[in-house]
Amino acid sequence: NAGVTQTPKFQVLKTGQSMTLQCAQDMNHEYMSWYRQDPGMGLRLIHYSVGAGITDQGEVPNGYNVSRSTTEDFPLRLLSAAPSQTSVYFCASSRTSTSYEQYFGPGTRLTVT
Amino acid sequence: GENVEQHPSTLSVQEGDSAVIKCTYSDSASNYFPWYKQELGKRPQLIIDIRSNVGEKKDQRIAVTLNKTAKHFSLHITETQPEDSAVYFCAASESGTASKLTFGTGTRLQVTL
Repeated sequence: NAGVTQTPKFQVLKTGQSMTLQCAQDMNHEYMSWYRQDPGMGLRLIHYSVGAGITDQGEVPNGYNVSRSTTEDFPLRLLSAAPSQTSVYFCASSRTSTSYEQYFGPGTRLTVT
Repeated sequence: GENVEQHPSTLSVQEGDSAVIKCTYSDSASNYFPWYKQELGKRPQLIIDIRSNVGEKKDQRIAVTLNKTAKHFSLHITETQPEDSAVYFCAASESGTASKLTFGTGTRLQVTL
C-alpha cells in the first residue's frame, strides 16, 4: 500500500503557465481533497470530492480546477499560474466523507515566479 | 462557514514541562475536532481527535478537552520531550462531513533542553 502519493515534489512555474498536480491513492477511498498551506495560514481547503464524478469547491477554489474520473486519482489543475499560488499543496483522502481519519500525501512545493 | 482560531502561534517550553494549545470554533454544528502534528518538511499527521459527545480524551502524554458550550477545545502535552517540537494544527468539521476540515493557523512548539 503506497497510501496517498503526489507528484511532482517540487515545481517552479512562470506566471501564466499551466500545470497539473497529481494525486493518487490506492486505499479505495471515496473522499479526496486538496489543501494549500501558506506560512501563518494553516491549511485551507481548495476543492474536494466525495466520489468519482463528484467535486465541489472549498474555501479557496479560484484559479484551480479539479476532476475525479476515477476513485484513485484527483488531479489539481492550475489554469494560469500566479505568484499568489506559490504554496505547498497537500492532497488528502479518507474512506468516506463521514470518516474521521484523513491520510495526507507528502506534498508538492510550488513556486511561481 | 466555519472559522477556527488557534493560540498561541508560538510556544517555547523546557523539556519536562507541559504545553497547552487552545482553539475556538464558530459553527455550533461542528462535531469532530482533530489535532495534527507537522514536522518540518513533512505531511500533517493525526495525533489525537475528539468527537462532540465526549469532553476529554487522553492518549499517553497527549490529551484533548472540549467545551461545546464555549466552543473551544485544547491540546495538552505533558512531560514534553525534544521530539515534540513541531507545528501543531487544530481543526474542526461539521456534522455529516467529518472529512471536510477547517484548520487553525498552527502553533510552533519548541521544546528546549
